[in-house]
Amino acid sequence: AQSVTQLGSHVSVSEGALVLLRCNYSSSVPPYLFWYVQYPNQGLQLLLKYTTGATLVKGINGFEAEFKKSETSFHLTKPSAHMSDAAEYFCAVSEGSFKTIFGAGTRLFVKA
Amino acid sequence: DGGITQSPKYLFRKEGQNVTLSCEQNLNHDAMYWYRQDPGQGLRLIYYSQIVNDFQKGDIAEGYSVSREKKESFPLTVTSAQKNPTAFYLCASSKSRTDGIVYGYTFGSGTRLTVV
Repeated sequence: AQSVTQLGSHVSVSEGALVLLRCNYSSSVPPYLFWYVQYPNQGLQLLLKYTTGATLVKGINGFEAEFKKSETSFHLTKPSAHMSDAAEYFCAVSEGSFKTIFGAGTRLFVKA
Repeated sequence: DGGITQSPKYLFRKEGQNVTLSCEQNLNHDAMYWYRQDPGQGLRLIYYSQIVNDFQKGDIAEGYSVSREKKESFPLTVTSAQKNPTAFYLCASSKSRTDGIVYGYTFGSGTRLTVV
């Protein structure tokens, strides 16, 4: 069965610092992986996705993620945090069916 | 612009009442989903529908019901059998995967349901 673990329910960084949000997955077949962002009282917005091909995936707002099969990881990074990046981030996995499993989320705080 | 509209944004339910949450999309997506979000628990799948007039239970379907009479609409009814309905409810849609391409979801802005 597929599952997603996000390490750290809260992450705090200073403005301009590197953002690293960790995600590990479990899947019995090659997975499809996603990162979503949620601002308060809003729905989720797709940041990026990995399906096949290049393991380094670039998304919106300067975020990128790298699929590492050997580590079953799909960590999200951004070189320089901005105040507007403060939000909750969700990693998700799908095995190709219509169902997608979401992680518990990581709330990112950005300090001025 | 295309998107998903959820209404109402806030909903209050009395004990023993059924309430219906609306979800409408104009993206021409085949698949639609309902998720429940509780603090610290991520999103949990309630129901999903791949095509009109067909839907499947998700992981926490007890106390909920849905219908899919039109491609654009996927309303969710929270029945009195749902013992703890206070939560944030999110509707989503996606293109069909029958073309072999995996698409991400487009989400609505959510409905916050509170039992009073």
